[in-house]
Order: sequence, then C-alpha cells, then structure tokens
Amino acid sequence: DIQMTQSPSSLSAFVGDRVTVTCRASQTISTWLAWYQQKPGKAPKLLIYRASSLESGVPSRFSGSGSGTEFTLNINNLQPDDFGTYYCQHYNSFPMSLGQGTRLEI
Amino acid sequence: EVQLEEFGGGLVEPGRSLRLSCTASGFTFGDYAVSWFRQAPGKGLEWVGLIRSRIFGGAPEYAASVKGRFTVSRDDSRGLAHLEINSLKSDDTAVYYCSRGQTVTGAKYFSDYWGQGALVTVSS
Repeated sequence: DIQMTQSPSSLSAFVGDRVTVTCRASQTISTWLAWYQQKPGKAPKLLIYRASSLESGVPSRFSGSGSGTEFTLNINNLQPDDFGTYYCQHYNSFPMSLGQGTRLEI
Repeated sequence: EVQLEEFGGGLVEPGRSLRLSCTASGFTFGDYAVSWFRQAPGKGLEWVGLIRSRIFGGAPEYAASVKGRFTVSRDDSRGLAHLEINSLKSDDTAVYYCSRGQTVTGAKYFSDYWGQGALVTVSS
C-alpha cells in the first residue's frame, strides 16, 4: 500500500506570505494526487486534482506541482480565510490514502 | 447545486451494526462513484471505501483496515449510497463523510463534493 507523508505537520504564517506544503508518496503515483482544505467542524473541500489542476472556484493563489513521489501545494498571498488543515490524497490505485495533514495558522 | 448528505449516525453499542446512508442531489447520481471517508475525533482523514458507478461495473473497494467489516452499496433508483459497519468497535467512533467520486478513467477517483458528515459514536 502507498503511504503519504506531509510536511510540515503545522505552520504559522502571516497574511501576504507564500506558504509551501510538501507531500511525499512511498511509491510513484504519477500525478494522481489531490489536495483538500478542511476547516474545523466542516467537510473537506477540494482544491487541486491531478497534482496541478485547480478546482473550479478555488482562488488562483493556490497552486500544486509535482509528479512521481514529490508534490507541493503553494499558497501565494496568504489570506485570513486560508486557515485550516490541508491534506494530500493519492488516487493512483486502491487502497487510496491521505497524508496526516498540515495545520495552517494565520 | 451539487449536494450530498449523510444520515443514520448516532450512538451504538460495541458489537452492533450500523448502516449509514448518503443522499445526493444536483447531479445524475448513477453516473458517479461514491467514496466514504472517516475522521476520528482530533485525527486526520481516512479513506474507508468506494463504490463505482454502474457504468464502471459498480464494484466496491475498501481500505485494508475495514475490509470484511464494512460494506458499501448503492441504490441508484433511490439516489442513495450506503455504508454498513458490522461488529462496531470503539475505534470506529468518527465522523463519516460520503463524497462524489470523480473520474475520467474509471480507475482513478478523487472526491469533488462532500457531505457534511455523520457522527458515529461507539460506546456502551
């Protein structure tokens, strides 16, 4: 089974900053990777799929990159509403799995 | 507007069974897979199962941690998906989410819309 590892587990940043979250897969997954944002008490929200495709309605300050085993989520010009926990998920094969999450504090 | 909603959660005794259901609107339910996730209190998200659309054979998939105890199913005529959990354990206490499984290939699925979740508490 493929394991997903995110780093850092938490970070603090300021409004206007650029933030990078890294996700590593234990085996190559091509670009079959999604990123989700979850706020406390709420359902996850899809941000990025296929490693770099921005979901409709998601602000363009979010971007994803990577392929194989190394992926990044970048958030430019950080906004107060960007707080929450971010998860990567591979969907290369079953069983699918998610990273442990990265908690972002603004 | 695409919406999904889970129902059937609650307090259940260890060893009992529970069936969660997921209802959807705003899209043709039968054309999409349904993926289930759970989140234990204070923990991260865990994928638990998926059922493909009839177009792609309707077959289920499960996480290793739940295989044999969890069963996913669907009733396209009623626009419902189900997650049945048998032999409930305290470790199954979590918020359970259903989501719409988006795919192009029929083999790779990500979740583009999610329900708000249903809390299942396993306790005597």
